[in-house]
Amino acid sequence: NAGVTQTPKFRVLKTGQSMTLLCAQDMNHEYMYWYRQDPGMGLRLIHYSVGEGTTAKGEVPDGYNVSRLKKQNFLLGLESAAPSQTSVYFCASSPLAGVTDTQYFGPGTRLTVL
Amino acid sequence: AQKVTQAQTEISVVEKEDVTLDCVYETRDTTYYLFWYKQPPSGELVFLIRRNSFDEQNEISGRYSWNFQKSTSSFNFTITASQVVDSAVYFCALSEGVVNRDDKIIFGKGTRLHILP
Repeated sequence: NAGVTQTPKFRVLKTGQSMTLLCAQDMNHEYMYWYRQDPGMGLRLIHYSVGEGTTAKGEVPDGYNVSRLKKQNFLLGLESAAPSQTSVYFCASSPLAGVTDTQYFGPGTRLTVL
Repeated sequence: AQKVTQAQTEISVVEKEDVTLDCVYETRDTTYYLFWYKQPPSGELVFLIRRNSFDEQNEISGRYSWNFQKSTSSFNFTITASQVVDSAVYFCALSEGVVNRDDKIIFGKGTRLHILP
């Protein structure tokens, strides 16, 4: 099993550009999450999904959109990137119990917005 | 409201010393879960332990041990006989136990641990 994979690993954008981060998991997990990690801030939840076709807002959802068209994939979109979105983005998945269960993390995507 | 405080931003110890990382949490719920994750310099996040609020037994796994005390709302993590490979950022996290009700997990800001050779 590859576990949780993220594409791309690195990206540089100019302000106003758009992009999509892809998260894929092969563990048949129901729950998937997107976090951002900023220096001194820990991990903050952006959006999450409790199953195929459903998404919900986390702690810092503004400026991001997500989709979960297939159970194994969770996409994070930035429609108009801003320098404040420079961060490391982590995707995670968990089996049945959602946030009360162990989360398995991807390797991260380092995004820089100029 | 949920809150996780890791007051130690950065700790440095010499190899083979014991070190304890503190985690203090706040929650309104009686059912909740606590976690520790490790983030080594390579950047990935590695799960270490999950503990529910009804299980106050301390846990030991090799050189790692966890002390859960509800009376002080703390879930501290101790590394015995530290090694250079233990150098990482360690995150404590809290989730409240009612699944599907405003699913939320809160991470502390992390403690950066340096183990000096």
